[in-house]
Amino acid sequence: SQTIHQWPATLVQPVGSPLSLECTVEGTSNPNLYWYRQAAGRGLQLLFYSVGIGQISSEVPQNLSASRPQDRQFILSSKKLLLSDSGFYLCAWSVYSEAFFGQGTRLTVV
Amino acid sequence: AQTVTQSQPEMSVQEAETVTLSCTYDTSESDYYLFWYKQPPSRQMILVIRQEAYKQQNATENRFSVNFQKAAKSFSLKISDSQLGDAAMYFCAYRTPERLIQGAQKLVFGQGTRLTINP
Repeated sequence: SQTIHQWPATLVQPVGSPLSLECTVEGTSNPNLYWYRQAAGRGLQLLFYSVGIGQISSEVPQNLSASRPQDRQFILSSKKLLLSDSGFYLCAWSVYSEAFFGQGTRLTVV
Repeated sequence: AQTVTQSQPEMSVQEAETVTLSCTYDTSESDYYLFWYKQPPSRQMILVIRQEAYKQQNATENRFSVNFQKAAKSFSLKISDSQLGDAAMYFCAYRTPERLIQGAQKLVFGQGTRLTINP
């Protein structure tokens, strides 16, 4: 069966520090991969999506970037975090219809 | 661009009663998917139910059912015999059917409805 792993679960980082969140999927090949951000009590905002290795599309201009070095690995990065980058980040994968989500990472920038 | 609107930020229901959560969406497409996701306090996103736009029959999953009105672009979720474990944020989502330049099919979410179950 397919599983998705996302880590870390919680992260506190100072302003100006770098960021790397990782997501891996098991049990499927060539999935579509997504990074979403959720502000407190709000809906999900799509940040990046990828249909294959090295293929990244950005939905919102921002301080973040994404990479897909392997078929089932998706990484969210930043060179210098801003206070506004705080939030709950969710990785997801899909093949045919619905998306399946990781456990999420709660990022607090201080 | 497709949009999804959930007009009820919060809802509450007595345990064992029935509650309906509303969702409307905007699209010019004729074929697409609609979903309801549940997000409990753990914040794990859990798929509750899905509906394929080309199917006229409303989807049902145990105590959860939808009322899909394609012409009205409405997709409501009915929860019957509400249980304490149903308390969560509920998100309506639309999946774009078209293949974009790079081929991904995106999920667009509404802002969510927080459902409280009163014992």
